[in-house]
Amino acid sequence: KQEVTQIPAALSVPEGENLVLNCSFTDSAIYNLQWFRQDPGKGLTSLLLIQSSQREQTSGRLNASLDKSSGRSTLYIAASQPGDSATYLCAVSDRGSTLGRLYFGRGTQLTVWP
Amino acid sequence: SQTIHQWPATLVQPVGSPLSLECTVEGTSNPNLYWYRQAAGRGLQLLFYSVGIGQISSEVPQNLSASRPQDRQFILSSKKLLLSDSGFYLCAWSTGSYSNQPQHFGDGTRLSIL
Repeated sequence: KQEVTQIPAALSVPEGENLVLNCSFTDSAIYNLQWFRQDPGKGLTSLLLIQSSQREQTSGRLNASLDKSSGRSTLYIAASQPGDSATYLCAVSDRGSTLGRLYFGRGTQLTVWP
Repeated sequence: SQTIHQWPATLVQPVGSPLSLECTVEGTSNPNLYWYRQAAGRGLQLLFYSVGIGQISSEVPQNLSASRPQDRQFILSSKKLLLSDSGFYLCAWSTGSYSNQPQHFGDGTRLSIL
């Protein structure tokens, strides 16, 4: 069974810092990996999706990398802002399951203070 | 553009009462639909998914059931709620090949069982 781990569980940084959030997964047989953002009491917003054949994806100040063979992904946030404060979740779409179901990590709770 | 709606946003119910949560998707046809639960201190857990009208698959045995009476409508139900059913319920959709399309989430329903 696929297991997804995110480190750290929480992170508090001053505004302007560059950040790295880590995600690891146990089974490399995946279709893709997604990074989501969740604000308190809200649903999930998809940030980036990396196909299994890709190495990275970029969107604005966000860059996500994927090393499928080692079961690792990182989300890089450049020049962090207070508005980036949220919980960041990674999820992998598993090839071994019907409909490529998503397996989620427990998230990294990010606080960016002014 | 596609949108997803969930209601109600919050719900407080006594133990033993019935439940009906509704999710609808607009702007797309024949979506894959999903119900997830996010319990306190735990990651997101897939409860049900559906690839078409009347086609429901359950991921975990539980006190809940799901139905898809129309193409873009997904309903989560229970005949008698348990305390352990408390949590944040999220509906999601995806289209086309689930291997390369992201899942998009609604704003969720916060369910509290008293």
